Amino acid sequence: KQEVTQIPAALSVPEGENLVLNCSFTDSAIYNLQWFRQDPGKGLTSLLLIQSSQREQTSGRLNASLDKSSGRSTLYIAASQPGDSATYLCAVRMDSSYKLIFGSGTRLLVRP
Amino acid sequence: GAGVSQTPSNKVTEKGKYVELRCDPISGHTALYWYRQSLGQGPEFLIYFQGTGAADDSGLPNDRFFAVRPEGSVSTLKIQRTERGDSAVYLCASSSGQVNTEAFFGQGTRLTVV
Repeated sequence: KQEVTQIPAALSVPEGENLVLNCSFTDSAIYNLQWFRQDPGKGLTSLLLIQSSQREQTSGRLNASLDKSSGRSTLYIAASQPGDSATYLCAVRMDSSYKLIFGSGTRLLVRP
Repeated sequence: GAGVSQTPSNKVTEKGKYVELRCDPISGHTALYWYRQSLGQGPEFLIYFQGTGAADDSGLPNDRFFAVRPEGSVSTLKIQRTERGDSAVYLCASSSGQVNTEAFFGQGTRLTVV
């Protein structure tokens, strides 16, 4: 059974810092991995989608990497801003299924 | 529509009552998903539709939960004899139906059973 773990559960950093959020999964037979952002009381906003054949994806200040063989993905946020404060979730899609399996998220606070 | 729309945004109901939650996916999206999110946790899969049919309902917790998508667009999640443990945020997502494309989520319905 696939399990997705995100570390740390919570992170507080001063504005301007570069930071890395971690996601690990136990079964490497994934089709793709998606990073989401969730603001309090809101739904999920898709940030980046990485196919299993890809190593990384970039969007603005965000860079997501994927090491499928070791079961790891990282989300790198450059020059963090208070507006980046939110919960960040990673989710994997298995080869044989359309459903997403989520981690519990990392709650990020960027202090002004 | 521009995005996935869910109604109502909040629903408070008494234990034992029946509730319906509605999801209006992005126009043209053939795949639709329901997830449930408890406080402090990631969303958990409930059911997946491809068109009108439920392709995977393995996440529905028991037979009190049922979902339909009669015309391949709007979907309704139905919960009978609600229990306090059903309280959660119910999220709907849609995608174009290709397995390598992004899923787009609605804002969710916060269900509280008192």
